[in-house]
Amino acid sequence: DAGITQSPRHKVTETGTPVTLRCHQTENHRYMYWYRQDPGHGLRLIHYSYGVKDTDKGEVSDGYSVSRSKTEDFLLTLESATSSQTSVYFCAISDHGRGYNSPLHFGNGTRLTVT
Amino acid sequence: DQQVKQNSPSLSVQEGRISILNCDYTNSMFDYFLWYKKYPAEGPTFLISISSIKDKNEDGRFTVFLNKSAKHLSLHIVPSQPGDSAVYFCAASDSGYSTLTFGKGTMLLVSP
Repeated sequence: DAGITQSPRHKVTETGTPVTLRCHQTENHRYMYWYRQDPGHGLRLIHYSYGVKDTDKGEVSDGYSVSRSKTEDFLLTLESATSSQTSVYFCAISDHGRGYNSPLHFGNGTRLTVT
Repeated sequence: DQQVKQNSPSLSVQEGRISILNCDYTNSMFDYFLWYKKYPAEGPTFLISISSIKDKNEDGRFTVFLNKSAKHLSLHIVPSQPGDSAVYFCAASDSGYSTLTFGKGTMLLVSP
């Protein structure tokens, strides 16, 4: 792994509760990303960050917020969890963010179940 | 609207034969393409990439071909091995943006 730790690895929560997933990197990479993986949908970008306190939305950002107060940590918060947010969440990092010469490196994922 | 399409959800191949995984894209601004491999309970790992200025890139048993006019790329694995059994994601990026767009993935099963 490229020095990426996601926590927790598994979580079960109830509808309506807030949930925060954490991504921690030791590579000092500038770019960090949150993706979700669902059957039939592949990997879809939720939010990403291009620096401390600099974030932007991805294609499926509704119901999610992010924060990045330090280079090494990128937090994903589900403000009020819904069953449609049951998924596997992957954090990824990149040095240059442009794809070429700096492909994304992924963590091992967090499996979230919302009951 | 799906910009990166992998139309085959699954592919079965015998060990030693060639595996060909296909990917189509619709956004003409994409200029860099990548393939990722994913085993169960693990994150995707980078496999191989190609820039739009090339039509072929090779790395050991893995070769990616790009046909820009057809907006099509393919990943060839020769010879296929049982350890290649995984889900393969095609991804693309536009140099104007710092994100990747992924396809839905193709599950490859290589049988002994």
